[in-house]
Amino acid sequence: DADVTQTPRNRITKTGKRIMLECSQTKGHDRMYWYRQDPGLGLQLIYYSFDVKDINKGEISDGYSVSRQAQAKFSLSLESAIPNQTALYFCATSGDINPGSTDTQYFGPGTRLTVL
Amino acid sequence: AQKVTQAQTEISVVEKEDVTLDCVYETRDTTYYLFWYKQPPSGELVFLIRRNSFDEQNEISGRYSWNFQKSTSSFNFTITASQVVDSAVYFCALRLLSGYSTLTFGKGTMLLVSP
Repeated sequence: DADVTQTPRNRITKTGKRIMLECSQTKGHDRMYWYRQDPGLGLQLIYYSFDVKDINKGEISDGYSVSRQAQAKFSLSLESAIPNQTALYFCATSGDINPGSTDTQYFGPGTRLTVL
Repeated sequence: AQKVTQAQTEISVVEKEDVTLDCVYETRDTTYYLFWYKQPPSGELVFLIRRNSFDEQNEISGRYSWNFQKSTSSFNFTITASQVVDSAVYFCALRLLSGYSTLTFGKGTMLLVSP
């Protein structure tokens, strides 16, 4: 079984709809991240969480919100989806809580979201 | 702020050719980690390697090798005798060791290996 799972894997929705993307991990990691990937732009950080009580905005948090329901679960919500939020969304986890660690991030399989 | 530049947007080679993917980074910090990830056509992101700023030794893993040169702020990735299965987008990323820094990614290089 995959260590980092994302649901749904594909989603088509309409402008103005609320949508939630979910991420679960069995790696026992404390840190979780949401990224967005657009063609030619690489990965951009949306939100990250270093533990259940810690949520931080990334580079492009406008239009998104997150919830860290448990150590293993981190959800990304689009309250009112718009077409320019069409992208590939990745969840990632990392485990070492110490500053100065390698803190390698491991990624889920991605969710392809299309907003019409 | 830190930055990672992958100037090669797309590279096309024929199988068995050697290919080097360039990565140049910018940071004022002296301690950091560098990473390479692979994204095959199936879409997932696969971790390949990390390197810390204290260790400039080159690394080889099978057909893959990495050349880290602090003097030129580069962390280049070479695939020897490329294969069709190497076709993917490759991302270079930087993480500072100061505080709880997050990853900064380059925009990626798409490698197409044809038979």
